[in-house]
Amino acid sequence: GAGVSQSPRYKVAKRGQDVALRCDPISGHVSLFWYQQALGQGPEFLTYFQNEAQLDKSGLPSDRFFAERPEGSVSTLKIQRTQQEDSAVYLCASSLAARSEQYFGPGTRLTVT
Amino acid sequence: GESVGLHLPTLSVQEGDNSIINCAYSNSASDYFIWYKQESGKGPQFIIDIRSNMDKRQGQRVTVLLNKTVKHLSLQIAATQPGDSAVYFCAENPSSRGGSYIPTFGRGTSLIVHP
Repeated sequence: GAGVSQSPRYKVAKRGQDVALRCDPISGHVSLFWYQQALGQGPEFLTYFQNEAQLDKSGLPSDRFFAERPEGSVSTLKIQRTQQEDSAVYLCASSLAARSEQYFGPGTRLTVT
Repeated sequence: GESVGLHLPTLSVQEGDNSIINCAYSNSASDYFIWYKQESGKGPQFIIDIRSNMDKRQGQRVTVLLNKTVKHLSLQIAATQPGDSAVYFCAENPSSRGGSYIPTFGRGTSLIVHP
């Protein structure tokens, strides 16, 4: 079956631009997670949804980062006024339930110039 | 602060050898650990997990060992194959997070398998 998909796969933005990253989870998966992975590092948690409810956003680095999942399926991570330090791979994962195995998408590589 | 880390950033082995990847953790409250494999251009992929009430768990060609006394975790891969080349992460789920499973990843070890 289809796994988690993310788009775009690559995004180049000029500093100050806004970007929107999309995640399509596995159908029927209740939980959805966003992670940020810097080069050579492990993924770091950003935020977590259960259905449409954002239950934990403690990992979002600043108020420039915003995530939504309005209908409990597709999620969008938006970054406003991008900065060079935002350059990273943004990973999305979904799971059937809160403590079930997470399935990761391929990520979106964001480069801010 | 508390963190999950790996001893060796790069491990090179010959095809057919056994590989051992180590991980140290410092959060004694962690009750669940997972090993992930991440290939270039892909997201992390679950390999095997272990709960703190166990000290060993085996999968297909992989074994995870947990030593709670010294807060050490290892992943053993038997008969390593070129397809095993990837970055391996250990991740812990501190029990204090409760409710939802949100792993804290270590830095990762790059495994290179030479044919």
